[in-house]
Amino acid sequence: DTAVSQTPKYLVTQMGNDKSIKCEQNLGHDTMYWYKQDSKKFLKIMFSYNNKELIINETVPNRFSPKSPDKAHLNLHINSLELGDSAVYFCASSQGLEIYNEQFFGPGTRLTVL
Amino acid sequence: KNEVEQSPQNLTAQEGEFITINCSYSVGISALHWLQQHPGGGIVSLFMLSSGKKKHGRLIATINIQEKHSSLHITASHPRDSAVYICAAPPFNTDKLIFGTGTRLQVFP
Repeated sequence: DTAVSQTPKYLVTQMGNDKSIKCEQNLGHDTMYWYKQDSKKFLKIMFSYNNKELIINETVPNRFSPKSPDKAHLNLHINSLELGDSAVYFCASSQGLEIYNEQFFGPGTRLTVL
Repeated sequence: KNEVEQSPQNLTAQEGEFITINCSYSVGISALHWLQQHPGGGIVSLFMLSSGKKKHGRLIATINIQEKHSSLHITASHPRDSAVYICAAPPFNTDKLIFGTGTRLQVFP
């Protein structure tokens, strides 16, 4: 069983479109994260949720809106996609709010905006 | 300048060599993570350490919090160790990880 899963794995879309990426974890964790990895392979935190509540909201454009329907799911919706949004997006989860806890990463979603 | 820096950026080695990857940081932290990103893109957590040394198989991680430096060592390297190794640390009073720039390791047979 996959611990942290993301769908889709690849997403190719036109500029201006709206798209969503879904993330689910079956580890029973209560904290979930979204990270963006740019073309230089640099990872950066976007959001984190704990028990469906927003904990971290980095300086991410308002076009990005995370939604956590329950603590096992954290979805990422992106409006009006731009070329600069092209990246690999990783979801991760950990137990508790302690940032030193091990994080488990999903396989990533490669988003290409044309 | 990134608050978490790694060196070298790229590293090539022959199978069997001893590998050292360095991570230095400019922020105050209590602990640091080492991650491995496979060529296929998947990321796994290797270590979280706050002091001294941790060992897992052929991997050894050390940290000196006062000197703001951590190292990841791989003994008897193998081609399957080829990956990007990333250190990440949460600065004091934050709940977020700041990632290093990554070190791309290639081990040739």
